[in-house]
Amino acid sequence: EADIYQTPRYLVIGTGKKITLECSQTMGHDKMYWYQQDPGMELHLIHYSYGVNSTEKGDLSSESTVSRIRTEHFPLTLESARPSHTSQYLCASSVVVGADTQYFGPGTRLTVL
Amino acid sequence: GEDVEQSLFLSVREGDSSVINCTYTDSSSTYLYWYKQEPGAGLQLLTYIFSNMDMKQDQRLTVLLNKKDKHLSLRIADTQTGDSAIYFCAERGGGYNKLIFGAGTRLAVHP
Repeated sequence: EADIYQTPRYLVIGTGKKITLECSQTMGHDKMYWYQQDPGMELHLIHYSYGVNSTEKGDLSSESTVSRIRTEHFPLTLESARPSHTSQYLCASSVVVGADTQYFGPGTRLTVL
Repeated sequence: GEDVEQSLFLSVREGDSSVINCTYTDSSSTYLYWYKQEPGAGLQLLTYIFSNMDMKQDQRLTVLLNKKDKHLSLRIADTQTGDSAIYFCAERGGGYNKLIFGAGTRLAVHP
């Protein structure tokens, strides 16, 4: 069982608000990822990090930003939420050994009104 | 470019075997994965296979890889109602070893 946590699990917020989605893992994994997923649809990588102070944009353009100040923590921030940001956000982590398997958190379902 | 394709739906009777298929395009993929997602949850890793293997079995799960045809399948023996979920195939490739996911196959198990 992977130890990766996301909070909040559900968030309903009004347009224009600033929000931060939290992701933490206790496995000491170097690599962390954020995916965006519409319900029942495929995952799109929006951000990833190789380690502390490393952040890169993924395949899907996103208005969100991320930071990696500590190995275990990879928060995602939206400065001004819009209805188009309504989606599920999944965080994952992996260790660069062997299969480099990604372990996922439970997700945050965000609704912007 | 890199692409992973899966059929979108599969319906099976409880106790039967389920076979979920996946095709991918990146011949340099080193690992291929199967994930399971239940409603409202994150993705749970089921199994993975290294690209130099043809088959991997883990309890009720059997993964078959045909590298020539770039075809991956997941067989679930004795399918139960608890197996109802969306199953994602993913390949590992790309410059930073990213995962490319398929759109997911929704498995429905009925009595």
